[in-house]
Amino acid sequence: GAGVSQSPRYKVAKRGQDVALRCDPISGHVSLFWYQQALGQGPEFLTYFQNEAQLDKSGLPSDRFFAERPEGSVSTLKIQRTQQEDSAVYLCASSPGQGFHYGYTFGSGTRLTVV
Amino acid sequence: QKEVEQNSGPLSVPEGAIASLNCTYSDRGSQSFFWYRQYSGKSPELIMSIYSNGDKEDGRFTAQLNKASQYVSLLIRDSQPSDSATYLCAVKRGTGFQKLVFGTGTRLLVSP
Repeated sequence: GAGVSQSPRYKVAKRGQDVALRCDPISGHVSLFWYQQALGQGPEFLTYFQNEAQLDKSGLPSDRFFAERPEGSVSTLKIQRTQQEDSAVYLCASSPGQGFHYGYTFGSGTRLTVV
Repeated sequence: QKEVEQNSGPLSVPEGAIASLNCTYSDRGSQSFFWYRQYSGKSPELIMSIYSNGDKEDGRFTAQLNKASQYVSLLIRDSQPSDSATYLCAVKRGTGFQKLVFGTGTRLLVSP
């Protein structure tokens, strides 16, 4: 597609509920990233995929967070047993490759509110 | 010490003035540097990248890099009210997996 597409745009979850956030990267982009952005903060890295391989998940805050990209295109970030501290904007980004000169293109994000 | 540091602002400038946004980073191995603009409620948008010491100009924007001082800046000439946004500095390391590490951003307010 023309840009990075994320859905849903907004999600309200009750504490303890599981949620799934979807990201459809730019066609042909092999690198895909998930970031978490709290209000008033910069984006914080969660995880990185190169094609279908998850090469870095060092930023995932707990084992309640899980991400996958089974066919090397669409990715899903799943949060189990949501907590209030999970409330944030979840940003997906993609880039054509891993070279140092590549910036990322971000999607519009999913704003998660846990009540 | 945070890996990428920015003054949170707000930085207030009048319309037509030059806005100067600054960023310092801690990893001397950092190889590439990016400036993103983020409007309230929107996602970050890439506006400039720089890899070599010196200046890089693109329209009203100039990025400046000084690797010896571990300092990168963004100048916005002829600032417009539409430039009012948060400006995020982001840095990539030179080795291994090259994730972008972001600062907390500087809020810029351009008054008419």
